[in-house]
Amino acid sequence: AQSVTQLGSHVSVSEGALVLLRCNYSSSVPPYLFWYVQYPNQGLQLLLKYTTGATLVKGINGFEAEFKKSETSFHLTKPSAHMSDAAEYFCAVKGGTSYGKLTFGQGTILTVHP
Amino acid sequence: DGGITQSPKYLFRKEGQNVTLSCEQNLNHDAMYWYRQDPGQGLRLIYYSQIVNDFQKGDIAEGYSVSREKKESFPLTVTSAQKNPTAFYLCASTPHWAQPQHFGDGTRLSIL
Repeated sequence: AQSVTQLGSHVSVSEGALVLLRCNYSSSVPPYLFWYVQYPNQGLQLLLKYTTGATLVKGINGFEAEFKKSETSFHLTKPSAHMSDAAEYFCAVKGGTSYGKLTFGQGTILTVHP
Repeated sequence: DGGITQSPKYLFRKEGQNVTLSCEQNLNHDAMYWYRQDPGQGLRLIYYSQIVNDFQKGDIAEGYSVSREKKESFPLTVTSAQKNPTAFYLCASTPHWAQPQHFGDGTRLSIL
């Protein structure tokens, strides 16, 4: 069984400030981890993924995330927020087997203030 | 450009009516998925198909049905047995179970 918890359903930052979106997961097998972004009335777009190898993963639009096995975390960060980053962000986990399904967190809405 | 096309973008259902949501992909992906999205609940898996002519129930399959007669198509029918169908429905596909899923732009279903 696997689950994802995103801490904070809403996060608000000022333009230029650090963005930190928190994600903790549970998985009985080595996980594959993903962050997706969703703009209003659109589908999900992949930001970045962790499968194996380097634990610091860089994605699109300046985002990155670090896989910390000891903390079962995969937090998403961006050094400097831009107005265009305002969207909903989803963390997802997949068990590293062919039978593992993708399980999503509840989502975090990011608001960026001028 | 390759991608996933969902249609229609908005759909309205009358009481007791079945409606079908279309999902077509030209990415040559084997696996396809249907999710339901409700505010504050993330995405929940309805059905998935790993290969043509085969599909499995997800977490919330009751009141829904699917078919997979062609690799590129995975339509979802919302039946009258689904008592709370108002939601945003997302279709996704992936070439391999270990790869990220690609998403369509969704269909928003409402009740008249």
